Amino acid sequence: KAGVTQTPRYLIKTRGQQVTLSCSPISGHRSVSWYQQTPGQGLQFLFEYFSETQRNKGNFPGRFSGRQFSNSRSEMNVSTLELGDSALYLCASSLGTATNYGYTFGSGTRLTVV
Amino acid sequence: AQSVTQLGSHVSVSEGALVLLRCNYSSSVPPYLFWYVQYPNQGLQLLLKYTSAATLVKGINGFEAEFKKSETSFHLTKPSAHMSDAAEYFCAVTYGGSQGNLIFGKGTKLSVKP
Repeated sequence: KAGVTQTPRYLIKTRGQQVTLSCSPISGHRSVSWYQQTPGQGLQFLFEYFSETQRNKGNFPGRFSGRQFSNSRSEMNVSTLELGDSALYLCASSLGTATNYGYTFGSGTRLTVV
Repeated sequence: AQSVTQLGSHVSVSEGALVLLRCNYSSSVPPYLFWYVQYPNQGLQLLLKYTSAATLVKGINGFEAEFKKSETSFHLTKPSAHMSDAAEYFCAVTYGGSQGNLIFGKGTKLSVKP
């Protein structure tokens, strides 16, 4: 059974550019969440999608956005990149809710903004 | 705001020794608690979860954790450390429902000495 797949694994972008990250959840999982991991702030929740609808959102500026497609694949977009956006971005999928099923995480996309 | 505190950003033990990683949560409602492990350049792997069934939860790789409501704690233990346990460990909490995102602690890096 394939796990959560995130592409690309590594990305280098220039300040001011925009970037799109992709996440393919485990087959049958309808919930996809995104987290940002940095040495200073740790793991912070970005947003969660369930059946193509944003169900929950963290405390990030509007430059961070996401969407989910009908096949449950998800993308997140960051516009007007800042140096502080350099981080490991983790995607997690679940059958339903974390309380019942827990989350399975992908290996992440490491974004470096220069 | 709900939060998770992991005492000790770094813990070092000798191979064969007891592993104890501490986690306390702040909550006015019953939480759902998780321990995740992260190896270098990888995503998060679920070790175990507490979802209001048994207070002593057994996980993978010989780890277990005990939920103590009176102490608002969910400490992770393993009787005998192995070199392969060296990694970073994260405690996380969620409160279920539509606000089911995970709130993570800052993490504890475990080193295992031969």
